[in-house]
Amino acid sequence: NAGVTQTPKFQVLKTGQSMTLQCAQDMNHEYMSWYRQDPGMGLRLIHYSVGAGITDQGEVPNGYNVSRSTTEDFPLRLLSAAPSQTSVYFCASSYIGTSGGTDTQYFGPGTRLTVL
Amino acid sequence: DQQVKQNSPSLSVQEGRISILNCDYTNSMFDYFLWYKKYPAEGPTFLISISSIKDKNEDGRFTVFLNKSAKHLSLHIVPSQPGDSAVYFCAASAVLWGNNRLAFGKGNQVVVIP
Repeated sequence: NAGVTQTPKFQVLKTGQSMTLQCAQDMNHEYMSWYRQDPGMGLRLIHYSVGAGITDQGEVPNGYNVSRSTTEDFPLRLLSAAPSQTSVYFCASSYIGTSGGTDTQYFGPGTRLTVL
Repeated sequence: DQQVKQNSPSLSVQEGRISILNCDYTNSMFDYFLWYKKYPAEGPTFLISISSIKDKNEDGRFTVFLNKSAKHLSLHIVPSQPGDSAVYFCAASAVLWGNNRLAFGKGNQVVVIP
């Protein structure tokens, strides 16, 4: 099992450029999510998905799009990059808790994005 | 508005001593709490969790205590080891949220001095 993989590890963009951060998991998890981590801010939820074809917004969705066409993949798209999107991005996945609790989320290694 | 708060952003402790990390939350709907550990250049990894029906959960050197009336939880690491040096995130979830959504605190940097 590779777990949760993210590509690229590092990326530098110019303001206004677009790009897609890739996330894949091989654990057959229904739930996938994207977080961003900024200094002094902890992890904030951007978007999440509970299964193929189903996505929803998290805490800080503006400027980002997601889609979930397969169980394995959950790409995050930056439509027009802004310096405020400079951050470290983490993808996570988990089973959906069956007893009303929260199942353990597994995180990828992160993508460090700089927008100039 | 931060629903999960971790004050005292950094903690230094001697190897072998106890590390205590604190976490407060404001949303009374939270009913499941987790601690994640993060090393530099890696993603967070799950450490320990506790349901709101319990007040203590123990896993080896790690114990989490929950005080629902005070909306407070703490993580105890005994004894602390140099490999415990990392950032620790407190997280919370609510059944009513569904879908495994987590709210994270800002994290605490722990440095264990050999």
